[in-house]
Order: sequence, then structure tokens, then C-alpha cells
Amino acid sequence: QKEVEQNSGPLSVPEGAIASLNCTYSDRVSQSFFWYRQYSGKSPELIMSIYSNGDKEDGRFTAQLNKASQYVSLLIRDSQPSDSATYLCAVGSSGGSYIPTFGRGTSLIVHP
Amino acid sequence: NAGVTQTPKFQVLKTGQSMTLQCAQDMNHNSMYWYRQDPGMGLRLIYYSASEGTTDKGEVPNGYNVSRLNKREFSLRLESAAPSQTSVYFCASISQGARPTNTEAFFGQGTRLTVV
Repeated sequence: QKEVEQNSGPLSVPEGAIASLNCTYSDRVSQSFFWYRQYSGKSPELIMSIYSNGDKEDGRFTAQLNKASQYVSLLIRDSQPSDSATYLCAVGSSGGSYIPTFGRGTSLIVHP
Repeated sequence: NAGVTQTPKFQVLKTGQSMTLQCAQDMNHNSMYWYRQDPGMGLRLIYYSASEGTTDKGEVPNGYNVSRLNKREFSLRLESAAPSQTSVYFCASISQGARPTNTEAFFGQGTRLTVV
């Protein structure tokens, strides 16, 4: 059983700060990693994908992957109140059919 | 949500009743999924379909059945609803590309199901 672990939070940061969200996974051969954002009462939305070790930047978002440590993170720079949501980490399966496994999510609160 | 239509949005069932949740996507994706989401539990996979004509069990399949009617449609059926099936259900259509920029993932709006 693959496991994806996230701190449930809530993580509270002031507006303008950097929010750092972390995720660890158990399947060492996983190849694909994703971050979803889910607003309260809404469906998840894919915001970042990363496959290779290192950093991937998209606007205010940076995904970081370290396969040796089995660790994925999401940094949100210049956090805004509109970033307040639950962030779900997902890990793709290592072969055959694509079956993403989700973590339980981290609740982020950005306060003015 | 753009591309994935899921119905109904809300449903209340009595224990033992049956119902079917409908899902359709118009993005020509091969893979479709049904998840349930409970407080503090994240998304748990019920069933998935890697392609038209195939379905496989996920982490929590007991009490559910699915049908991949065609490439567009993937339905979830509760034959005899139980209070433990009270949850929010999401249908998803996901296409994982060879590169991160090629991956597409869309979820339906969700179905809030209460079994009393």
C-alpha cells in the first residue's frame, strides 16, 4: 500500500509571506508528483506537476522534488488570502496504469 | 468544472436504497476515476478505468460497482446504501503525459451523499 503523508495543519502564514507545504511518500520508484489545490466545498484543481529532481517554478508557485529523500514540497511566494485552501499532494504509480495516490492534504490559511 | 460533468450534486438516501452517480468527460481521456473524500481522510480511490471496457478496484471498492459505458462515461453505483457511504464523491478524468506539462487532470463538481 503506497502512502503519501502530509501534515494536516492548519498552516497559518501572514499575507506576503512564503508558505511551505511538505509531502513524503513511501514508494521509492514513484516517478510523477502533483500538487492540487482544493477550496472549501469545491473540487480539487491541479496546480503543479513535477517529475525530475530539483525545482520547478510557475508564477508564485515552486514545486521541489527530492527522490532520494522521497520528499516533495510546494512553496507559495507572496501568499495571498485567496491562497487559503487545502493543498493535496499526489503521487503517480510507478508503472502500468496511472493511479494517483493522494495525501490527506494540508490546510493553508493566509491572514491579512 | 470544465470538461467533467458529474451528477447529482446532492443526494439523500435511506439505508438500503440504490443509486447511480453519473460522470462524463469530453476531453478524450482514456483514464477515469471515482474517489470518495471524508473529513481528514483525503481522497480515496474507489474504482478506476484505465481505458474503455476496463475497470479495476481501488483502495475502498466494497459496496460499489462501476460501469465504463464508453470512453466518455463512467458511472458509480451503490446497490444497497449504508450510512458508512455518507461522503463526498468525485469523478476525475486524468491524462498523465510523458512530461509534467502534458498532464491534465479534471474533477467533477462532486456529489454530497448522505445515507440515513
